[in-house]
Amino acid sequence: AQTVTQSQPEMSVQEAETVTLSCTYDTSESNYYLFWYKQPPSRQMILVIRQEAYKQQNATENRFSVNFQKAAKSFSLKISDSQLGDTAMYFCAFMNSSGATNKLIFGTGTLLAVQP
Amino acid sequence: NAGVMQNPRHLVRRRGQEARLRCSPMKGHSHVYWYRQLPEEGLKFMVYLQKENIIDESGMPKERFSAEFPKEGPSILRIQQVVRGDSAAYFCASSPQRSNQPQHFGDGTRLSIL
Repeated sequence: AQTVTQSQPEMSVQEAETVTLSCTYDTSESNYYLFWYKQPPSRQMILVIRQEAYKQQNATENRFSVNFQKAAKSFSLKISDSQLGDTAMYFCAFMNSSGATNKLIFGTGTLLAVQP
Repeated sequence: NAGVMQNPRHLVRRRGQEARLRCSPMKGHSHVYWYRQLPEEGLKFMVYLQKENIIDESGMPKERFSAEFPKEGPSILRIQQVVRGDSAAYFCASSPQRSNQPQHFGDGTRLSIL
């Protein structure tokens, strides 16, 4: 069974600084997708970034980028130029692309606080 | 272009009552997923449905919980004889097909059991 581990329950960063959130996962599959979702205080689930396991190039979306280390099964999220609106819970998620379903397996989340 | 619509946003029930949660997927999406988020925890998969079919219900409790996605109308997650432990946020997500496109989430239904 696949598992996703986020070892940092809480993190804090100053506005305009850079922060990295950690995520590791365990799977025996070779084809899969990894995601970072953001859940602000409004509690919506917002997709931040997506990575296909077969791609070596790290995904980027504006200020958000990932460091995908497939051999180490690591998928960290880097937020550059942090903004107050980045304050949220961040969830790392795994999806097996060759399974019968596309269910997402989530980590327990990291609560990020951006300080002014 | 409306996103995934869930209603109600908040639902309060007394122990022993039934709770019905509705989810209308995004236009053009035929796959629906339900997830549950207990307080201070991440989301846990419950069930995956296509129109008129349950594809995977491995995450759903065997008793009191059921889900459907009829040919017409929204997907329904039904919880019978609710207990305090059912208090949680229930999220619905949809995707266009059994593809690798990201799932789009609704705003969730917060269920509180008195």
